[in-house]
Amino acid sequence: NAGVTQTPKFRILKIGQSMTLQCAQDMNHNYMYWYRQDPGMGLKLIYYSVGAGITDKGEVPNGYNVSRSTTEDFPLRLELAAPSQTSVYFCASSRVVDEQYFGPGTRLTVT
Amino acid sequence: DQQVKQNSPSLSVQEGRISILNCDYTNSMFDYFLWYKKYPAEGPTFLISISSIKDKNEDGRFTVFLNKSAKHLSLHIVPSQPGDSAVYFCAASAPAAGNKLTFGGGTRVLVKP
Repeated sequence: NAGVTQTPKFRILKIGQSMTLQCAQDMNHNYMYWYRQDPGMGLKLIYYSVGAGITDKGEVPNGYNVSRSTTEDFPLRLELAAPSQTSVYFCASSRVVDEQYFGPGTRLTVT
Repeated sequence: DQQVKQNSPSLSVQEGRISILNCDYTNSMFDYFLWYKKYPAEGPTFLISISSIKDKNEDGRFTVFLNKSAKHLSLHIVPSQPGDSAVYFCAASAPAAGNKLTFGGGTRVLVKP
């Protein structure tokens, strides 16, 4: 099992550009999550999904969109990137109420 | 409004001694607590958890204590090893929130040989 995979590992965007962060898991987990971690801070939940076709906002959803067309994939879309979105992004998955398994992260810089 | 706080941003401990990491929370609806460990350039990995029906959970060198009345939990690492040097995050979830986790800001632990 690869667990939770994320691509790309690093990305530099110009202000106003858009991109999609990819996340996939092969553990057949129902729940998937996107977090961002700013320097010296904890992880903040952006969006989450309890199953294919179902998504909901977390604590900091503004500027992001998600979709969940399959159990395995949970891409995060950034439209009109802003410097405030410079962060490390982590995707995670879990069965139900259980510990979450995290991907290695995507480091995004918006300049 | 930070619902989960780790008031010590860093901790330095000698190899072989005990590391004690603290975490406070404000939401009385939290009923499940977890500790994650994170190395640089990697995602967090699950370390240990505790349900609110217990006050202690042990796994090898790691023990988590929960004091519900004080809304406080702690992680003890005994004995500390150089490989334990990492950032540790406390997290909590509430049944009404599904499996969403609220994270503390993390404590960086340095274990000196």
